[in-house]
Order: sequence, then C-alpha cells, then structure tokens
Amino acid sequence: EIVLTQSPGTLSLSPGERATLSCRASQSVSSSYLAWYQQKPGQAPRLLIYGASSRATGIPDRFSGSGSGTDFTLTISRLEPEDFAVYYCQQYGSSPPFGGGTKVEIK
Amino acid sequence: EVQLVESGGGVVRPGGSLRLSCAASGFTFDDYGMSWVRQAPGKGLEWVSGINWNGGSTGYADSVKGRFTISRDNAKNSLYLQMNSLRAEDTALYHCARVAAEDYYYYMDVWGKGTTVTVSS
Repeated sequence: EIVLTQSPGTLSLSPGERATLSCRASQSVSSSYLAWYQQKPGQAPRLLIYGASSRATGIPDRFSGSGSGTDFTLTISRLEPEDFAVYYCQQYGSSPPFGGGTKVEIK
Repeated sequence: EVQLVESGGGVVRPGGSLRLSCAASGFTFDDYGMSWVRQAPGKGLEWVSGINWNGGSTGYADSVKGRFTISRDNAKNSLYLQMNSLRAEDTALYHCARVAAEDYYYYMDVWGKGTTVTVSS
C-alpha cells in the first residue's frame, strides 16, 4: 500500500505570498495518478488538481500542480484570503489513500 | 445541479449497526464509481470504501474490511454503506463522493457535505 506524506504540517504565510506544499509517496505513483483537494472548516473537500498537474473545472490558475514518481508539489502562486485552508493529496492508482494534510494558515 | 446528499447518521452504541445513504442528482449516476470517505473529529480524510459503476467491484480500507458493506441502487440513484460491529474509532463525518471514472480507483470530483456517525456508550 502506498503511503503519502505531506509536508509541512502547517504553513504560516501572508496573503500575496507563494505557498509550496509537498506530497511524497512511499512508492512510485503510476501514471501520475495524484490529486489535490482543498478543505475549509465545516465544508466538504473540493477537487483542485488531478493527474498531478491538471486543474479541475473552475479552479483559478494561481493553483498549479507538478511532480511525478514519488514527489509532488502543489503551488499557490499568490495567496488570496480564501486560500487559507487544509490541503490533502491523494493517489488513485490503487486503493486510494490520502496524505495527512497541510494546513495553510494566516501569518 | 450536481448534488450528493447523505443521510442515516446518528448515535449508536459500540457493536451496533447503522446504514448510511447517499442520494445523487444532476448527473447520470450509473456512469460513475462512488466512494465513502470519512473524517474523524479534528483529523484528516480517510478513504473508507468504493464501488464501481454497476456494483460488480468493491473495495474497503483495512480498518473497516469485514464490518462495512458498500452497495448501490442505480434505479434509485443511491449509494449505501452498511456499517456493522461499530467501534468508537468509527466516529466521524462520512462523506459520499463521486469518482471521476466508472471504477472507484480514481479521484473524486463531487462531494457531499456528510452525515455524522457517533459511536458511544
């Protein structure tokens, strides 16, 4: 079973800054089957990125995904107030586990 | 509007059973796999179970295997999760999610708001 490790656990940044979130897999993720989700308090998760780098419908282009194999990154180019949330990665080539999450909080 | 609405949550004693339902609308239900994902209070997301478009293939997390059963009724546009032998550690908000493929081994593009299950004596 693939284990996903997200880092850092918490990222403290100011609006307008760049956020870089990491997701590392214990084994290679086939065909870049890696997704990213955003979750705000009291809300359901929202799909941001699939296939490691494809933005889901309606997702602003300040969100971008990259990586392959075992190392993946979600980048938010300039943080907007609504971007402060928890972000999860998920691999879906096999039994689809999630990473532990990275909280992006206002500094 | 594409929508998933969960129901059936509640408070149950350890060892008890509960059946969750998820009503789908706004899309062709039997074109998609479906999954249940839970979130314990203050914790992260945990995939629980998935089912393919026609119910012929299912999968479970090790933590629920042998206790939970996923099923679907395409005629009723509904997904279910039968939960038996419930434990305190099953306490969580349970989300129903649409999988962006016919199988359940894929990413999830539509999510319901969830239904809360509390296992307590």
